[in-house]
Amino acid sequence: GQQVQQSPASLVLQEGENAELQCNFSTSLNSMQWFYQRPGGSLVSLFYNPSGTKQSGRLTSTTVIKERRSSLHISSSQTTDSGTYLCAMETRGSAKLIFGEGTKLTVSS
Amino acid sequence: EAAVTQSPRNKVAVTGGKVTLSCNQTNNHNNMYWYRQDTGHGLRLIHYSYGAGSTEKGDIPDGYKASRPSQENFSLILELATPSQTSVYFCASAPTGEQYFGPGTRLTVL
Repeated sequence: GQQVQQSPASLVLQEGENAELQCNFSTSLNSMQWFYQRPGGSLVSLFYNPSGTKQSGRLTSTTVIKERRSSLHISSSQTTDSGTYLCAMETRGSAKLIFGEGTKLTVSS
Repeated sequence: EAAVTQSPRNKVAVTGGKVTLSCNQTNNHNNMYWYRQDTGHGLRLIHYSYGAGSTEKGDIPDGYKASRPSQENFSLILELATPSQTSVYFCASAPTGEQYFGPGTRLTVL
């Protein structure tokens, strides 16, 4: 079965609202990596987070191993935040990433 | 930040032809990866490498070969391209954990 479940599949916000994106995983995690992708663009790494909380500007990533979840919080969203956000799980003992299906975020002004 | 480049950026190939996609990284990362991204399937791992001379099968290796002649270069080879291999292909590199992606190659097989 799917080892990484990402939700929601899509999200529409008004500029200034906050967003919470979730990834749940079903196997032993070494780390969770979060990416941002514009349509037709490459993947930009936002966070590599094995556990706990990391922050960069308006973005915060939290990984809780015991609860098998990782989240990405976007505060005070802007239209330039629109795009697809992907989480990817690095399992223990493996150099490979297993990707979620992504969350498509649309922020309107 | 890691610099990963891919060539070509766009490619149109004919069914049955040979296609080579190239990836170069200048940060001395040991691990390199090839993915394809398709609507409805997300990103899937084709081949990866732990260093020069090594290649490993990923989750969907059928129809693809890989070559890692040096630390910097990792190629994906389609010996007999098929229309089902039309996709966007991404290369990535990593020292160990965190992966850094190239800009992608859009391949169309007619």
